Amino acid sequence: AAGVIQSPRHLIKEKRETATLKCYPIPRHDTVYWYQQGPGQDPQFLISFYEKMQSDKGSIPDRFSAQQFSDYHSELNMSSLELGDSALYFCASSPEWGNEQFFGPGTRLTVL
Amino acid sequence: DQQVKQNSPSLSVQEGRISILNCDYTNSMFDYFLWYKKYPAEGPTFLISISSIKDKNEDGRFTVFLNKSAKHLSLHIVPSQPGDSAVYFCAASALRTGNQFYFGTGTSLTVIP
Repeated sequence: AAGVIQSPRHLIKEKRETATLKCYPIPRHDTVYWYQQGPGQDPQFLISFYEKMQSDKGSIPDRFSAQQFSDYHSELNMSSLELGDSALYFCASSPEWGNEQFFGPGTRLTVL
Repeated sequence: DQQVKQNSPSLSVQEGRISILNCDYTNSMFDYFLWYKKYPAEGPTFLISISSIKDKNEDGRFTVFLNKSAKHLSLHIVPSQPGDSAVYFCAASALRTGNQFYFGTGTSLTVIP
């Protein structure tokens, strides 16, 4: 069965650079969620999209932005990267609002 | 402010015995709860869910119990198997007001053969 795809799986950037993380939800899933998990921490909700519109916003820094495209894939854009942005970034999708979420494998971002 | 708490960072259980993982929450608006299992280098995998209209949900070896008055839920795994060794997260949401899920900090379960 198709799963959530995230790319890249690993990304190394330097401070003040920008990064773009991509998420491809499971086919026919219209809701996408982004989470950030720092070392030894629980996943923190960043932002979610339903039918290509932002539906919920969590602890997403102003330096980050995200959108969901017409094919339902989503991109998380991160600018002016800081050392503290080093984390595992998970994308999840669900078939409808409020349903269980299916997670991707994550993108590990390292900021040097 | 941690709205979902898993106070046991780790748990070790003998194969074949029962594993009980606990989760407490503070927000009385939460009405939907999930348990996820996570292996190293992989994303969390959905295990089982329960809505606030129920106090128990069972799926094979996994049973989740919800005590709304105590704002407490638990995951029972019977019998425990070595392949169950992973980090378990509980998550909660107030579906009436949004679809944001709040996660606990996780409990690392080790099932000893």
